[in-house]
Amino acid sequence: GEDVEQSLFLSVREGDSSVINCTYTDSSSTYLYWYKQEPGAGLQLLTYIFSNMDMKQDQRLTVLLNKKDKHLSLRIADTQTGDSAIYFCAERVPGFQKLVFGTGTRLLVSP
Amino acid sequence: EPEVTQTPSHQVTQMGQEVILRCVPISNHLYFYWYRQILGQKVEFLVSFYNNEISEKSEIFDDQFSVERPDGSNFTLKIRSTKLEDSAMYFCASTGGPGDQPQHFGDGTRLSIL
Repeated sequence: GEDVEQSLFLSVREGDSSVINCTYTDSSSTYLYWYKQEPGAGLQLLTYIFSNMDMKQDQRLTVLLNKKDKHLSLRIADTQTGDSAIYFCAERVPGFQKLVFGTGTRLLVSP
Repeated sequence: EPEVTQTPSHQVTQMGQEVILRCVPISNHLYFYWYRQILGQKVEFLVSFYNNEISEKSEIFDDQFSVERPDGSNFTLKIRSTKLEDSAMYFCASTGGPGDQPQHFGDGTRLSIL
C-alpha cells in the first residue's frame, strides 16, 4: 500500500535555507503536496507538484521531485522564525481521492 | 481568501455518547472529506463525499461513523457511540473538483473522549 515517510525534526538558524525531505512508495502518484501546520491550527496548503514536473518554485519555496528515487523535497529559502511549524508531505494516488500523509517534519527556526 | 470552517474547535464527550462535528466547506466546492489525526500519529483519511453520497472510505470509517450534508452549506461527521480511541483531531477538507485539485483544510476539531 501507499506509504509516505519524512524525517521527524529539523533545526535551522534564521536566514539559512531549510530542506525537508519526503519519500513515497507509490510510483503512480500523480500529485504530491506540501502542507504546513502551525501550533493549534489546521493544515495550510503550501504548494503542490504534478508528477510530470521535476521542480516548482513559488517565492521562497522550491519543490524538487525525483521520480526515480520517489523522493520529494521542500526547500525554504531565507528561513524565518515564522516558518517554525510542522510540514507534511502528502501524495494522491490515481483512482483514489484520499491523500496519504507523511509523519510530518517539525521545523524549528532559531534566531 | 475563502476557507473551510469547523466547529467546535474543541469537543469533550463522555464515552458512549454521540458526537457531531460540523464543517462549512468553501462555498463553490463540491467534494468534501474528513481526516483524523490521533496525537503523535499521521493524518489519516476517513471518508470522501460527493453528490450527496460517500465516494470513498477507509477501514477506520466503520458503522459508528456517518456523514451528512444536511443543507447547502454544512457537512457533518457523526460518531454514534464514542470510544476512548476516537480521541483525535478531526479535519474537514474540500475541493472544487475531483482528484487533482488540492484539498483545502479547516483548523480542525479536537475531540476528547472521557
